[in-house]
Amino acid sequence: EVELVESGGGLVQPGGSLRLSCAASGFTFSRHFMYWVRQAPGKGLVWISRIDGDGTTIDYADSVKGRFTVSRDNAKNTLYLQLNSLRGDDTALYYCGRAGMFTLGGVIATPIDFWGRGSLVTVS
Amino acid sequence: DIVLTQSPGTLSVSPGDRATLSCRASQFLSSSYLAWYQQKPGQAPTLLIYGASTRATGIPDRFSGSGSGTDFTLTISRLEPEDFAVYYCQQYGSSPNSFGQGTKLEIK
Repeated sequence: EVELVESGGGLVQPGGSLRLSCAASGFTFSRHFMYWVRQAPGKGLVWISRIDGDGTTIDYADSVKGRFTVSRDNAKNTLYLQLNSLRGDDTALYYCGRAGMFTLGGVIATPIDFWGRGSLVTVS
Repeated sequence: DIVLTQSPGTLSVSPGDRATLSCRASQFLSSSYLAWYQQKPGQAPTLLIYGASTRATGIPDRFSGSGSGTDFTLTISRLEPEDFAVYYCQQYGSSPNSFGQGTKLEIK
């Protein structure tokens, strides 16, 4: 059974840092792209980042580029999100997600097919 | 960057009826790269549709997706009580990826 468990959230002052972890199990971690998505209280989903299977290609949203860093340790089946220079508008529930690797007419489709429960980051 | 605009913001429909939700992309999007998710209060989202029209594993056939180019639609026929939730579209074909702002489907 696929399972994703985020940890590391908490209360941090503006300008501070946190590192979130996402422990994965139930699948071959290194074969899947992984996502970070956040959701501010009462708001919609916001894409943060995506990392490929070996960690060599990483994309970021403009709102976090230069402040957040995504990495993965395939030996530990763990995804990370380093959050630096935190601001009030970074307050959100942070989800990690697994990219399904579906073949559609020769194209690899990578929607988020499994989600963790999220880790809450409060910047105040 | 591709911006996804969902409409309406809130949709009021009676159980048993059909709901039609729209997702419009700001530029051409291959249908292979469009997904729909459902989110219920206090829960993580669930994948419903990917590739614009392919149902994810375990998703009932009352959920269907269609569209191409810039206009995509999620249709839920014969609404069940558990279908009332917030729905999001996502494009994962170009960087940065993006979500629409969501459509809240509420009971009429």
